[in-house]
Amino acid sequence: KQEVTQIPAALSVPEGENLVLNCSFTDSAIYNLQWFRQDPGKGLTSLLLIQSSQREQTSGRLNASLDKSSGRSTLYIAASQPGDSATYLCAVPIKAAGNKLTFGGGTRVLVKP
Amino acid sequence: DTAVSQTPKYLVTQMGNDKSIKCEQNLGHDTMYWYKQDSKKFLKIMFSYNNKELIINETVPNRFSPKSPDKAHLNLHINSLELGDSAVYFCASSLRYQGSLDEKLFFGSGTQLSVL
Repeated sequence: KQEVTQIPAALSVPEGENLVLNCSFTDSAIYNLQWFRQDPGKGLTSLLLIQSSQREQTSGRLNASLDKSSGRSTLYIAASQPGDSATYLCAVPIKAAGNKLTFGGGTRVLVKP
Repeated sequence: DTAVSQTPKYLVTQMGNDKSIKCEQNLGHDTMYWYKQDSKKFLKIMFSYNNKELIINETVPNRFSPKSPDKAHLNLHINSLELGDSAVYFCASSLRYQGSLDEKLFFGSGTQLSVL
């Protein structure tokens, strides 16, 4: 059974500091991995999707890496801003189980001005 | 234009009632989903429909009945609501059934259901 874990559950940093968010998964047989952002009272917004053959994806200040063999992905957010405050979730589809999307519990980020 | 829209945003109701949540997507996607986010913020898939056909039912009680009149709509009807049904329910869609290499999931803004 695929399990997705995100540590830490919460993170508070001063503005300008780089953010490092971790995601680990137990079954390396994945098609891809997505990072989402969730703002309070809002839905989820897909930030980055890394295909299983890729090692990283970049979008602006965001960079996500994927190491399938170790079952890990890391989301880096450079030069954090107060507007980056949100909950960040990672999710993977599982080949063997009908490709449902399994989510981690999220990391709640607070960027203090 | 909202890509995935669901109504209502908030739903407060008494135990034992029957309620429905509606979802519509204007992205031309084939596949739609219902996810449940519990009080601990864990998101779990409930149902997935591909071109109006059910493809996932994650051992959800049969009090929950999804209905897809066409591929742009996926509604969720809940009978005999229980306290434990209180959660945020998210609708989502993807171009094809989740699992191909570059599929992204698009979410609605959620329906917060409170059962009293």
